[in-house]
Amino acid sequence: QQQVKQSPQSLIVQKGGISIINCAYENTAFDYFPWYQQFPGKGPALLIAIRPDVSEKKEGRFTISFNKSAKQFSLHIMDSQPGDSATYFCAARMGGAAGNKLTFGGGTRVLVKP
Amino acid sequence: GAVVSQHPSRVICKSGTSVKIECRSLDFQATTMFWYRQFPKQSLMLMATSNEGSKATYEQGVEKDKFLINHASLTLSTLTVTSAHPEDSSFYICSASGGDSYEKLFFGSGTQLSVL
Repeated sequence: QQQVKQSPQSLIVQKGGISIINCAYENTAFDYFPWYQQFPGKGPALLIAIRPDVSEKKEGRFTISFNKSAKQFSLHIMDSQPGDSATYFCAARMGGAAGNKLTFGGGTRVLVKP
Repeated sequence: GAVVSQHPSRVICKSGTSVKIECRSLDFQATTMFWYRQFPKQSLMLMATSNEGSKATYEQGVEKDKFLINHASLTLSTLTVTSAHPEDSSFYICSASGGDSYEKLFFGSGTQLSVL
């Protein structure tokens, strides 16, 4: 059962454009929603994260929008740069007794064309 | 930020041999470590969760006798792939939880295992 669904699977955007990646979750027990950036052959790196009591969080060119009622959240990459070309994963954490366990979305391969 | 070191970064072995992968938290005490497996162009799939000093908890479908996990200290967890076969070839990634922010999970750089 895929608890976190991510779309699109891949995305091509021109330099300077906006990349938008969407995720939807099912389990209302999730309490923390991070986004990770992964380059080929490397482990994921935390990009930005949000808690469900906040509707939006911005850090530099990266913004998370969170819709608790719809159980959806999205990542916006503003002014996309070729160096942003990577695979992005949304995730959802179930804390408490689950012990900080993350469930990942399927990933989105982003290619930023110069 | 906190650093998690994973070693080796790449290993090639013959079928039937065992391979050990180490995951170390360098500047914080990792009360919990997670082991993931990632196939090409796919997402990370959690294999097991290990807490220091106790037995690992394996996800459904993961063979605990095949993938041995040891978390003997607060800074080191190891994953041993026993009697490796070509279908075990994959990218293995560890992550560690703990330190000054429990919300942040720090990932290792991954180990590419190729079984011939």
